[in-house]
Amino acid sequence: AQKVTQAQTEISVVEKEDVTLDCVYETRDTTYYLFWYKQPPSGELVFLIRRNSFDEQNEISGRYSWNFQKSTSSFNFTITASQVVDSAVYFCALSEVKGSARQLTFGSGTQLTVLP
Amino acid sequence: DSGVTQTPKHLITATGQRVTLRCSPRSGDLSVYWYQQSLDQGLQFLIQYYNGEERAKGNILERFSAQQFPDLHSELNLSSLELGDSALYFCASSPRSGGLDEQFFGPGTRLTVL
Repeated sequence: AQKVTQAQTEISVVEKEDVTLDCVYETRDTTYYLFWYKQPPSGELVFLIRRNSFDEQNEISGRYSWNFQKSTSSFNFTITASQVVDSAVYFCALSEVKGSARQLTFGSGTQLTVLP
Repeated sequence: DSGVTQTPKHLITATGQRVTLRCSPRSGDLSVYWYQQSLDQGLQFLIQYYNGEERAKGNILERFSAQQFPDLHSELNLSSLELGDSALYFCASSPRSGGLDEQFFGPGTRLTVL
């Protein structure tokens, strides 16, 4: 069975600090997809990034960057110069094949609080 | 705004009752997914429909059922409700079934069972 572990339950930083959210996954598939979602206090889930298992290039989008390392089964997310608006729960998720479909398995989430 | 709509936003009911949650996917999306988010279980996949047909099942209880209609909207039916069914229920949609696409989530329906 697939599994996604986000060991950091809660992280608190002061505005402008950099913060990295860890994600470790387990899968037997050679082809899989990894995702990050953000859940702000309002409750909705916002898609941030998708990465497939064949693309190990790091990605940067503004203040966000992602480090995918297949060798350690990790897909970590870094926010540079954090802002109060970054306060949210962040979920890492893994999509792998189950039968004729793919199933998305979420980690337990990391609550990030950015203090002013 | 993801383009996925869910109604109602909040639902309060009693144990033993039955409720129906509704979801309209983004325009053009054929797949609908249902998830349950609770404090003790986290965010769990329940079921997926693609173009009207059930495609994948996750940790969905037998008391729960879903369907996707010809206009692609979906309903999740929860019956014989128990206190433990209180949770946030999300619907998500994606263009295809293969799981290659990101899923776009609706705002959720918060169900409270008293």
